[in-house]
Amino acid sequence: EAGVVQSPRYKIIEKKQPVAFWCNPISGHNTLYWYLQNLGQGPELLIRYENEEAVDDSQLPKDRFSAERLKGVDSTLKIQPAELGDSAVYLCASSRGLANTGELFFGEGSRLTVL
Amino acid sequence: SQQGEEDPQALSIQEGENATMNCSYKTSINNLQWYRQNSGRGLVHLILIRSNEREKHSGRLRVTLDTSKKSSSLLITASRAADTASYFCATALLAGANNLFFGTGTRLTVIP
Repeated sequence: EAGVVQSPRYKIIEKKQPVAFWCNPISGHNTLYWYLQNLGQGPELLIRYENEEAVDDSQLPKDRFSAERLKGVDSTLKIQPAELGDSAVYLCASSRGLANTGELFFGEGSRLTVL
Repeated sequence: SQQGEEDPQALSIQEGENATMNCSYKTSINNLQWYRQNSGRGLVHLILIRSNEREKHSGRLRVTLDTSKKSSSLLITASRAADTASYFCATALLAGANNLFFGTGTRLTVIP
């Protein structure tokens, strides 16, 4: 089966510019996650979707970050405006279902550099 | 904040040796998972151990779980240069939320 697809793989922008990341999860996976990973650190959860519903966005900085998952499939994570501290890798992951967190399948990530 | 912490932060061994990484966590869990991440790549799931299990094997991997100490260990036997990567433990909490919380990772280097 095809894996989780993310784009772009790399993005360099000036501070205060907007940026968007796109994720296509594995077909049939109802749960979709966005994680942020700083250099040398583990992933930190930003938002989790069950189908099209954002069921946990408590760690998403809502003043500048937004996300959507239209039709419960693809998802977009947006930052507007970007700050220097947003430089990180943004990882998307998906999993099969709701009951008992099982294996997550990750994309390759989108590496953001804010200048 | 991250739920788990791995120890050591970095580990360097010779090919053929065993590598042991430890993970400690803070709250009661439903399960604990280990993931691997090659440099510049996404994370790959290695193994899942449930809270009612004490030990699990998969190929050259052996995972133990001690819920009384809130700790887990990952043993990689007969290491290979291709095992060089960062390894993360991740916990699925017992109470509410279907989220996975990752630790800080152990960077393993296997020298050929």
